[in-house]
Amino acid sequence: DAGVTQSPTHLIKTRGQQVTLRCSPKSGHDTVSWYQQALGQGPQFIFQYYEEEERQRGNFPDRFSGHQYPNYSSELNVNALLLGDSALYLCASSLPNSYEKLFFGSGTQLSVL
Amino acid sequence: AQKITQTQPGMFVQEKEAVTLDCTYDTSDPSYGLFWYKQPSSGEMIFLIYQGSYDQQNATEGRYSLNFQKARKSANLVISASQLGDSAMYFCAMRALADRGSTLGRLYFGRGTQLTVWP
Repeated sequence: DAGVTQSPTHLIKTRGQQVTLRCSPKSGHDTVSWYQQALGQGPQFIFQYYEEEERQRGNFPDRFSGHQYPNYSSELNVNALLLGDSALYLCASSLPNSYEKLFFGSGTQLSVL
Repeated sequence: AQKITQTQPGMFVQEKEAVTLDCTYDTSDPSYGLFWYKQPSSGEMIFLIYQGSYDQQNATEGRYSLNFQKARKSANLVISASQLGDSAMYFCAMRALADRGSTLGRLYFGRGTQLTVWP
């Protein structure tokens, strides 16, 4: 049983560019959340998708957007990249109303130069 | 809003000894869940243990136990019989349960504690 898979594992972009990160949830999970983890910090919630809709959003600008497909996979898009967007981006999946745990992927390390 | 505080940037423990990682939290929600995750250098966040605010007994999962003191708003992780493979970053997190609207799905994390286990 595959866990949460993310691609690519590493990415280098320059300021002003756009980037798309991808996530496939754990089998049977239909809810996907995205987190940003800056160096030396804990993860910060970006948004959550369920039934192909954004259900919750953290304190991130509109440059951060997402999508969920009918197969529950998800994308995170970031436009007009800033140096401060450099971070590890983690995807997590869960069952709806599952209070006990999220399953995380290994993340995508984004470097903005 | 929820806030998690981990005051130990780094901890060191000898193999086979027990270690306690501290976590305090602040929330106005009457019902919440507390989590501990392990993050090795690979980056993946690995779930260790969960405690609901309504649980009367402290949670245990193998060598991991959660010392939950609700009145003090603390949720310390205890690792017994440390192993070299326990060396990693450890994060405490919480999640509101009562509010099914705006915060149900989001975890709030602390800044983490780097645990190093030496032989």
